[in-house]
Amino acid sequence: AQSVAQPEDQVNVAEGNPLTVKCTYSVSGNPYLFWYVQYPNRGLQFLLKYITGDNLVKGSYGFEAEFNKSQTSFHLKKPSALVSDSALYFCAVRDRGGSSASKIIFGSGTRLSIRP
Amino acid sequence: GAVVSQHPSRVICKSGTSVKIECRSLDFQATTMFWYRQFPKQSLMLMATSNEGSKATYEQGVEKDKFLINHASLTLSTLTVTSAHPEDSSFYICSAYRDTIKETQYFGPGTRLLVL
Repeated sequence: AQSVAQPEDQVNVAEGNPLTVKCTYSVSGNPYLFWYVQYPNRGLQFLLKYITGDNLVKGSYGFEAEFNKSQTSFHLKKPSALVSDSALYFCAVRDRGGSSASKIIFGSGTRLSIRP
Repeated sequence: GAVVSQHPSRVICKSGTSVKIECRSLDFQATTMFWYRQFPKQSLMLMATSNEGSKATYEQGVEKDKFLINHASLTLSTLTVTSAHPEDSSFYICSAYRDTIKETQYFGPGTRLLVL
């Protein structure tokens, strides 16, 4: 069965410092991997995805994520955090072998807090 | 990016009444839409997959007679919470695959339901 783990409930970073939000996954074969961000009382916004190709994926708002097949990880990173990055971040995985209607599985979420 | 809207954004109803939530894809056709439920400070729980022109596929443990889903057109899916009770109070989010970009789900802004 597919699963996604976000081991940290909360990550606290000072503004201007680099940030990392961790994600590991368990799925048979090669998955599609995603990061989404959620602001209070809002739906999810797509940040980036890994489908194939370069292991380093660049996304919105200066975020990037690195796909590491051997460690089955897809950590989200940003070189310099902004206070406005404070939000709830979800890692998600979808089976590559599924149809276009395949569901995706979300991690438990990590709350990112950036202090000024 | 693709836009998914939800209406209403917030609804308060009395126990025993039914509430309908609409999910629309504004600038693309969506043969498949998904309905999620999110409890405070928790991840998204997939409730059902809504397929245009056919019956929805419900996840295990989700009552199909209580959460009625209709996907009558390629741009509209509705979720009706029938005979709502306080325990149905939650944040409901829909999402859709854009036909031409099948890997990525686009999410609506969510509907906050409060049942008194």
